[in-house]
Amino acid sequence: EVQLVESGGNLVQPGGSLRLSCAVSGFTVSTSYMSWVRQAPGKGLEWVSVIYGGGATYYVDSVKGRFTISRDNSNNALYLQMHSLRTEDTAVYFCARLPYSAAAHFDRWGQGTLVTVSS
Amino acid sequence: QSALTQPPSASGSPGQSVTISCTGSSSDVGGYNYVSWYQQHPGKAPKLMIYEVIRRPSGVPDRFSGSKSGNTASLTVSGLQAEDEADYYCSSYADNSYVFGTGTKVTVL
Repeated sequence: EVQLVESGGNLVQPGGSLRLSCAVSGFTVSTSYMSWVRQAPGKGLEWVSVIYGGGATYYVDSVKGRFTISRDNSNNALYLQMHSLRTEDTAVYFCARLPYSAAAHFDRWGQGTLVTVSS
Repeated sequence: QSALTQPPSASGSPGQSVTISCTGSSSDVGGYNYVSWYQQHPGKAPKLMIYEVIRRPSGVPDRFSGSKSGNTASLTVSGLQAEDEADYYCSSYADNSYVFGTGTKVTVL
């Protein structure tokens, strides 16, 4: 069964750092396309980052230079390292899978983990 | 990377149909047949309802259908049921990035 379980969300001060994890079961992260999508409280979905099967990574402009997406093949997990956090980064962060290399849709999602950036 | 434009709300009575629009540009919706739609109930993760404009994942009722014309995509929910009441988001591929719509709250009257 395919499962994605996020963790690592917390309350952090502006300027701080946090690493989110997404534990995956039922498929292999190393060869999959994976993304992070966030949702600020009461707001809509916003795509954050993607890592392709070959390792290429892309980010929404607002997090470029501050966030890094990566994966750990041995742990079958996806990560999002976040630095220089801002209040506007406050959101529930979802990890999501793109099901095949030519896909541009997210077929499986985790339940989300809440990041709160506040002093 | 501007959000795609959706109407904030839509509604219909049980059994009726509702159509939600999703307007982008030639750089996203109009440039690729990679529009997808997601249903989200409060406090839950989004659920894929339509992908590649018209395709339905297994398990999604055929009451849900998608289409596209130019820079605007649409999701139609036919035969509205109480459980269809939710937020709906479109999404499009946009040259190594992805963009979501502003979201539409569907109310079943």
